[in-house]
Amino acid sequence: EAGVTQSPTHLIKTRGQQATLRCSPISGHTSVYWYQQALGLGLQFLLWYDEGEERNRGNFPPRFSGRQFPNYSSELNVNALELEDSALYLCASSLSGRGDTEAFFGQGTRLTVV
Amino acid sequence: QKEVEQNSGPLSVPEGAIASLNCTYSDRGSQSFFWYRQYSGKSPELIMFIYSNGDKEDGRFTAQLNKASQYVSLLIRDSQPSDSATYLCAVIPSGAGSYQLTFGKGTKLSVIP
Repeated sequence: EAGVTQSPTHLIKTRGQQATLRCSPISGHTSVYWYQQALGLGLQFLLWYDEGEERNRGNFPPRFSGRQFPNYSSELNVNALELEDSALYLCASSLSGRGDTEAFFGQGTRLTVV
Repeated sequence: QKEVEQNSGPLSVPEGAIASLNCTYSDRGSQSFFWYRQYSGKSPELIMFIYSNGDKEDGRFTAQLNKASQYVSLLIRDSQPSDSATYLCAVIPSGAGSYQLTFGKGTKLSVIP
């Protein structure tokens, strides 16, 4: 069974540009979570999508946005990139968003803003 | 502010010893607690989750939860060099939807051969 897959693995962008990161959850999983892991800051919750809708977002500005498609894959968009957006972006998926089921992480997308 | 605190380490233990990793959390209403292992440059890997007070064992790993003290720990018995990694404690805080994890910054464990 395929795990959570993310693309691209690495992304280099210039300040002010937009970045698009993609995530395919484990088959059967409807919830997708996005986290940012910046150096020295630990993993920070970004967004949660379930059944195609945004259910909650963390303490991030509106230029971080995303969506979930009918096949439950998800896209994270970061507009007007800033240097401090450089981080590992991790996607996780779980069954139907229930807190009593495991969530599995993808391998991440390393975003570098120069 | 709902926080999860861990000692950053590094925690060094000799091969074969017991490694003890600790975590405290601020949100008394938290219900679900997780330990993840993260190798450098890799994504977190779930080791264990625990919901009830007491101990939960899985192979060489034992998670301990004390909700009254807002404390959760992970014991690794017979530590191996391959256990060298950063261990992340994570909590689903009260009021959060589902699997919105709040992570600690992690404890770096080094197992010395």
